[in-house]
Amino acid sequence: KAGVTQTPRYLIKTRGQQVTLSCSPISGHRSVSWYQQTPGQGLQFLFEYFSETQRNKGNFPGRFSGRQFSNSRSEMNVSTLELGDSALYLCASSFGLNTEAFFGQGTRLTVV
Amino acid sequence: AQTVTQSQPEMSVQEAETVTLSCTYDTSENNYYLFWYKQPPSRQMILVIRQEAYKQQNATENRFSVNFQKAAKSFSLKISDSQLGDTAMYFCAFMRPGGVRGADGLTFGKGTHLIIQP
Repeated sequence: KAGVTQTPRYLIKTRGQQVTLSCSPISGHRSVSWYQQTPGQGLQFLFEYFSETQRNKGNFPGRFSGRQFSNSRSEMNVSTLELGDSALYLCASSFGLNTEAFFGQGTRLTVV
Repeated sequence: AQTVTQSQPEMSVQEAETVTLSCTYDTSENNYYLFWYKQPPSRQMILVIRQEAYKQQNATENRFSVNFQKAAKSFSLKISDSQLGDTAMYFCAFMRPGGVRGADGLTFGKGTHLIIQP
């Protein structure tokens, strides 16, 4: 069974631009969640989608948004990029709401 | 809000030794889940072990076991017969059960960098 796939693996963007990251969950998994990992703040929860609905959101500004498609694939978007958005963005999928999460390899975003 | 504290930023042990990583958490919830994740240099988070708070029995997975003390809100990870491949960042994580309101996601500690020396 294929794992969680995140694309692209690396991105370099300029301040003010927007970016879209993609996540394909494990087949059969309906829940997708996103995390931001930085050296200073550690791992922080961004949002979680289940059956195409955003169920919960972490403490991030509205520039961070996401969506989930009917095949459970998910995208997250960051608009008006800031230098502080440079981070490793991790996607995780799980079968249901109370089951363990399996992570992808992440997308390394660098904002210059 | 939940908090997770890992008080050991870095630990180093010799191969084949046993090592214990500490984790404490704070919550007012009675039912929840606790996890240990491993993040090797490849940066992919790998689930090591899972514990349900309602279960008194400590979870084990091969060389990995936990000591779950619910009253003390402590959740330590013991790695027996450590191997070079165990070198990684280890994160303790907390999760409230999801439901109608949705899942909160995982709350992570800051991590412990474990180095296994040959």
